[in-house]
Amino acid sequence: KAGVTQTPRYLIKTRGQQVTLSCSPISGHRSVSWYQQTPGQGLQFLFEYFSETQRNKGNFPGRFSGRQFSNSRSEMNVSTLELGDSALYLCASRVGRGTEAFFGQGTRLTVV
Amino acid sequence: DAKTTQPNSMESNEEEPVHLPCNHSTISGTDYIHWYRQLPSQGPEYVIHGLTSNVNNRMASLAIAEDRKSSTLILHRATLRDAAVYYCTLELFKLRIAGGTSYGKLTFGQGTILTVHP
Repeated sequence: KAGVTQTPRYLIKTRGQQVTLSCSPISGHRSVSWYQQTPGQGLQFLFEYFSETQRNKGNFPGRFSGRQFSNSRSEMNVSTLELGDSALYLCASRVGRGTEAFFGQGTRLTVV
Repeated sequence: DAKTTQPNSMESNEEEPVHLPCNHSTISGTDYIHWYRQLPSQGPEYVIHGLTSNVNNRMASLAIAEDRKSSTLILHRATLRDAAVYYCTLELFKLRIAGGTSYGKLTFGQGTILTVHP
């Protein structure tokens, strides 16, 4: 079956702009989580959605937001981009708690 | 949140077993232990997970200490393709009182860079 698909794979934005990243989970997976990966901070949890509801949120400023649609596809948005937002953004989907997570290839965001 | 501690790096020879340790002394009784590995420019790949009992799958084995404060990922015969960053993660459990549903988030440590020598 198809894996987790993230689009776009690469993105270059200017400081102050906003960006929207997309994630299509594996069919049947209702849980979608987002992570930020940087060399200095490693993998950090952003938020998790389950059945269109945000179930958990990490320690990120309000500029980072997300949503999940009825078909489980998810988007995350970062407004007023800063240089420090440059990172690999990863999406993972799961059936639910206590199950394995499947990660996408990630979106590499560069803010200049 | 509970955290994990792993050695920064480990080395192994091809076809030898590898034991990757992880400490999670602040784990709660309902937190799952997951292991993922990541190759450069790729997303993490699931390896194995468990709650209390030791687990085996086609990729590896997971040995969980009786007090659950530590665990060990065992690769029975390392290959060059096993060279990666290995993350021991905890799936933290929170029960939503309203609606009775539960959810969990994965917390990642810094990982162990595994080098496999031919």
